[in-house]
Amino acid sequence: SAVISQKPSRDICQRGTSLTIQCQVDSQVTMMFWYRQQPGQSLTLIATANQGSEATYESGFVIDKFPISRPNLTFSTLTVSNMSPEDSSIYLCSVGGPTEQYFGPGTRLTVT
Amino acid sequence: GIQVEQSPPDLILQEGANSTLRCNFSDSVNNLQWFHQNPWGQLINLFYIPSGTKQNGRLSATTVATERYSLLYISSSQTTDSGVYFCAVFSGGYNKLIFGAGTRLAVHP
Repeated sequence: SAVISQKPSRDICQRGTSLTIQCQVDSQVTMMFWYRQQPGQSLTLIATANQGSEATYESGFVIDKFPISRPNLTFSTLTVSNMSPEDSSIYLCSVGGPTEQYFGPGTRLTVT
Repeated sequence: GIQVEQSPPDLILQEGANSTLRCNFSDSVNNLQWFHQNPWGQLINLFYIPSGTKQNGRLSATTVATERYSLLYISSSQTTDSGVYFCAVFSGGYNKLIFGAGTRLAVHP
């Protein structure tokens, strides 16, 4: 198993600003995943982050809006840039593979 | 790509009741997982169940891969069972988890 922590746990931000979310894992992992969960919806994968290479973004998500860093095998950050109210969501990081995935507690973002 | 459908979308139970949640998937898979998201947003891995039946306390799950469905059983429900239950399959071709829309469960005392 893996223990994942995220910071901040929640935040209220003004439109047009940016927020960086941190994800820390208690063990070294190759891939880390970032998800968005809009209110009342399921999880949508934003991107997959591998250490030492650029993140791979899913359709509908772009690096300029959601830049990701992966400086080592236990840490990653996701930035939500130039925020609008539509970015109000829970953002979750996860690790794992085909048989088990573990999720951080999430960052609840509200954009006003 | 793989489609994952869950039913029912919403479920309201009285404490002590039993329930069955269903997950249908469009292609043959061998790596289905069930998750519970509590009211505070934390996602917990319940089962990895590519086929067969597993039990963990009051929860059990069955996957019939040849018929492309999985069932999650909750017996003697408790208020702490409230939240959203997701099934998800890992798409090896796309190297990612594909989630269903979830079943939102409310257990009332």
